[in-house]
Amino acid sequence: DAKTTQPTSMDCAEGRAANLPCNHSTISGNEYVYWYRQIHSQGPQYIIHGLKNNETNEMASLIITEDRKSSTLILPHATLRDTAVYYCIVFEGDSWGKLQFGAGTQVVVTP
Amino acid sequence: EPEVTQTPSHQVTQMGQEVILRCVPISNHLYFYWYRQILGQKVEFLVSFYNNEISEKSEIFDDQFSVERPDGSNFTLKIRSTKLEDSAMYFCASSESGFRTEAFFGQGTRLTVV
Repeated sequence: DAKTTQPTSMDCAEGRAANLPCNHSTISGNEYVYWYRQIHSQGPQYIIHGLKNNETNEMASLIITEDRKSSTLILPHATLRDTAVYYCIVFEGDSWGKLQFGAGTQVVVTP
Repeated sequence: EPEVTQTPSHQVTQMGQEVILRCVPISNHLYFYWYRQILGQKVEFLVSFYNNEISEKSEIFDDQFSVERPDGSNFTLKIRSTKLEDSAMYFCASSESGFRTEAFFGQGTRLTVV
């Protein structure tokens, strides 16, 4: 059963920031929020993860609300190569690496 | 940059035949996984493997499937007596640990059962 809710699709203009929302209202204290993406049936690619603090790396930023019930992945300057399905995954830190992928958000970056 | 390598990229097999999908995980990783994605559907977890044994498996991973780490570098998924519904993209992944670390995925093997 899905632990996260994401919009089915969204468009973004090239060069603009893409803000991808995710709801995870039933998240528990030891569960992390992970983001992966999948470009056209290639293998999923890790983007970022966090527990409760906001995180930033070279690919994206992750903003987690104080109550941890939702989060936003921010791609600061979207490029055409960012067109992909983006998955928000709640992952229990003590599990054996089992990622449960949902349907994700299809992001289309347009020129 | 280190990567997970899968071979072959595409395998066609006849129904009832056995297939072995091969993966070379990243060298210092200790946890290995197989996932599959039927065309147009979600990525599904099959199995995780650590310390030469299965750590966790899904309901999909029945007696038809087996995994093995035959040497220090390869990680294989064997599907016995393939069925039409086994047609899918199979992804291998590895991670440094099973806890809160990123998993690196290979590019997948497309299995077509005819």
